[in-house]
Amino acid sequence: DAMVIQNPRYQVTQFGKPVTLSCSQTLNHNVMYWYQQKSSQAPKLLFHYYDKDFNNEADTPDNFQSRRPNTSFCFLDIRSPGLGDAAMYLCATSDPRSGVGEQFFGPGTRLTVL
Amino acid sequence: GQQLNQSPQSMFIQEGEDVSMNCTSSSIFNTWLWYKQDPGEGPVLLIALYKAGELTSNGRLTAQFGITRKDSFLNISASIPSDVGIYFCAAINAGGTSYGKLTFGQGTILTVHP
Repeated sequence: DAMVIQNPRYQVTQFGKPVTLSCSQTLNHNVMYWYQQKSSQAPKLLFHYYDKDFNNEADTPDNFQSRRPNTSFCFLDIRSPGLGDAAMYLCATSDPRSGVGEQFFGPGTRLTVL
Repeated sequence: GQQLNQSPQSMFIQEGEDVSMNCTSSSIFNTWLWYKQDPGEGPVLLIALYKAGELTSNGRLTAQFGITRKDSFLNISASIPSDVGIYFCAAINAGGTSYGKLTFGQGTILTVHP
């Protein structure tokens, strides 16, 4: 089945130690998103890629970076995680070429910062 | 930022009861989406609505796109324990340059007592 995959599902890091979360998709969608979600709140968009074009949200901290080496993969890099960065990180994809706005989410990576 | 007004915030119901939740907006959208999120997982798309007035069903779920394009509701009939989770409405103006901008409601936490 076509899907969005996130690895790892659980990630523990130390305060200030860089961490990378990964996302891959078999949907062949041209847009990939990274969201941050904290306890029972709605997901908050950090940034997205439209093909290779990177689009950062205005309030996304500089501590968060992203890379998209090809259509299928996208990475979230947190350069110096703080305690406040502990959250669920969700990857999503969409295909605006189809004319609809649906986004499909992966299962998420739960990040713990010690 | 803009947010949809979703209600109720939480519901505690008995198994077998029907459930209704809704979302309103001060802005017009051309696409409304309903997601369900289980604990520790990513949101799963339940129903997508594309036309004002559209009524769509998916099993025991029924959702409608309001005629004013500023609201939507989701009904769950004959609830079962596995309906437990957080339900999010989301809206977007698909097409043009707004493809990436999902606006979310605050979520409805549903608890079903056996």
